[in-house]
Amino acid sequence: KAGVTQTPRYLIKTRGQQVTLSCSPISGHRSVSWYQQTPGQGLQFLFEYFSETQRNKGNFPGRFSGRQFSNSRSEMNVSTLELGDSALYLCASSSTSGRAGGQYFGPGTRLTVL
Amino acid sequence: TQLLEQSPQFLSIQEGENLTVYCNSSSVFSSLQWYRQEPGEGPVLLVTVVTGGEVKKLKRLTFQFGDARKDSSLHITAAQPGDTGLYLCAGLYFNAGGTSYGKLTFGQGTILTVHP
Repeated sequence: KAGVTQTPRYLIKTRGQQVTLSCSPISGHRSVSWYQQTPGQGLQFLFEYFSETQRNKGNFPGRFSGRQFSNSRSEMNVSTLELGDSALYLCASSSTSGRAGGQYFGPGTRLTVL
Repeated sequence: TQLLEQSPQFLSIQEGENLTVYCNSSSVFSSLQWYRQEPGEGPVLLVTVVTGGEVKKLKRLTFQFGDARKDSSLHITAAQPGDTGLYLCAGLYFNAGGTSYGKLTFGQGTILTVHP
């Protein structure tokens, strides 16, 4: 089974621009979560989608948004980029949103904001 | 807000030594997962523990879940240079409705370096 894929792998943007990141989960997985990883804050939860519905949201400003499509693929969007948005953005999928399921991460998208 | 404390932050040891990484919370976990991450890559799931007191083994790695489901440990026996990496614990908590969703809370991680 193919793993979680994320595109693009690397992205350079300037302040004020917006960006869209894409995630394709493992086939059959319906839950997709997004995380931001920075050296100072570690891994922080952004949001989770299950069957096209946002089921949980982290403490990030409204500039961060996401959606999930009927094939479980997900996108996240960051508008009006700030320097502090530079980070590794990770997507994870799981077959169930229950407690026993592990989350499987993609390789991430490295976003640099200049 | 749940806080998950992971220790130690850094561990530098010689090949063949044993080590333990700890993960603690003041709140009860629904389940807890351990990951290993290499530079520039996403975390790789090592194990999920669900039941209090549960012990799982993965070759030289032993994972233990506390009886009260508030703490966990990862023990590596006879560490090898290939074990070098960032080890992360991550917990799923119950929300007010009693259902655990896919919102992992991560510890700050332990950077392990094993010298040949």
